[in-house]
Amino acid sequence: DTGVSQNPRHKITKRGQNVTFRCDPISEHNRLYWYRQTLGQGPEFLTYFQNEAQLEKSRLLSDRFSAERPKGSFSTLEIQRTEQGDSAMYLCASSPRDKGVAYEQYFGPGTRLTVT
Amino acid sequence: DQQVKQNSPSLSVQEGRISILNCDYTNSMFDYFLWYKKYPAEGPTFLISISSIKDKNEDGRFTVFLNKSAKHLSLHIVPSQPGDSAVYFCLGTSGSRLTFGEGTQLTVNP
Repeated sequence: DTGVSQNPRHKITKRGQNVTFRCDPISEHNRLYWYRQTLGQGPEFLTYFQNEAQLEKSRLLSDRFSAERPKGSFSTLEIQRTEQGDSAMYLCASSPRDKGVAYEQYFGPGTRLTVT
Repeated sequence: DQQVKQNSPSLSVQEGRISILNCDYTNSMFDYFLWYKKYPAEGPTFLISISSIKDKNEDGRFTVFLNKSAKHLSLHIVPSQPGDSAVYFCLGTSGSRLTFGEGTQLTVNP
């Protein structure tokens, strides 16, 4: 197991286009998280899945954002009608359930989105 | 609303000396505080944690101190090594959500 993977690593898109990112968590982890990081800031929580159920969403997750985890394994994050303010690093993390330290999340390398 | 604040964007120390990274928080509901480390082109990785009911936790060269009355925590690295050069994030957590500070870039000079 090579850890959490994210694809693509970089995405450049024009304003108004839709983009989709994929996250593959560590195989035995049933919790999956999405974060967004802008320049000079720490990552900000977007949403959280336990298996296929989306249990929590941040107010940062506007109507243009949707996340899915259809079979409780990989997850996708889609942004519709992208805006320049969506330019950021999108990070995915996973963690095992009921493994004592629920806060120890394992992060992928991120997908850097640039909206021109 | 910045619930976790790291006021120093950068810190530079000499190899072998102590590195002290500081963090302030406003949310009294955090039940754990954490430090994560991030190298370029990689995701953040867990470094050390402390329960909100403790005031100190030590793991090898890394020690985290928590002062609840001041809502302040700090990370001490002794001795500092060049491989410790990275961005360090202070975090608070309650439930499954992690709340990050802005990060401090630590540079350890040989």
